[in-house]
Amino acid sequence: GEDVEQSLFLSVREGDSSVINCTYTDSSSTYLYWYKQEPGAGLQLLTYIFSNMDMKQDQRLTVLLNKKDKHLSLRIADTQTGDSAIYFCAERRSSSYGGSQGNLIFGKGTKLSVKP
Amino acid sequence: DADVTQTPRNRITKTGKRIMLECSQTKGHDRMYWYRQDPGLGLRLIYYSFDVKDINKGEISDGYSVSRQAQAKFSLSLESAIPNQTALYFCATSGDRVETQYFGPGTRLLVL
Repeated sequence: GEDVEQSLFLSVREGDSSVINCTYTDSSSTYLYWYKQEPGAGLQLLTYIFSNMDMKQDQRLTVLLNKKDKHLSLRIADTQTGDSAIYFCAERRSSSYGGSQGNLIFGKGTKLSVKP
Repeated sequence: DADVTQTPRNRITKTGKRIMLECSQTKGHDRMYWYRQDPGLGLRLIYYSFDVKDINKGEISDGYSVSRQAQAKFSLSLESAIPNQTALYFCATSGDRVETQYFGPGTRLLVL
């Protein structure tokens, strides 16, 4: 498909792990990103992964990249109520896929709800 | 102080009115973007600019125009607002090695 796909909702209990999944479109995408949007605010970069990596860990966050399946996931360990937000996956498409340098294609966002 | 600012933060206008949304940045980035966010549709790119002399249409540019007055300023105009332009509008900039986009706080626009 042409779109970056994410499930729209995820609900977890405080202390559990959250896994947010994303499928992207361009197997030549150079960078893939996860952004977080808290209520009433703009998007903030959480983390990114370069396409020649298959995993990146940053404190409670783990990003897994499966280039063969064009699948990206974000795992949040020990999820807290402050993690409740909308999480956007984004890809930077290559020029051969019609991308322009610097332009990102965003998914529709996954709303994460953390229950105490 | 915020690196990317947007004014106004909220605006209510009537159908047919002209409205301008402004964006300023202090990050020194060349690239600037305007997006709109609608529930269930995510972010869609309206226009982008790679420098002062470079303006490009995005995915949904119809009904919008932009002006890049300086490296630090990028304005979005709705020449004749219509109700389906009611949305949350974000400005963003980029310029680092990995093309991280830095977003403003958003402008919530309601067209009656």
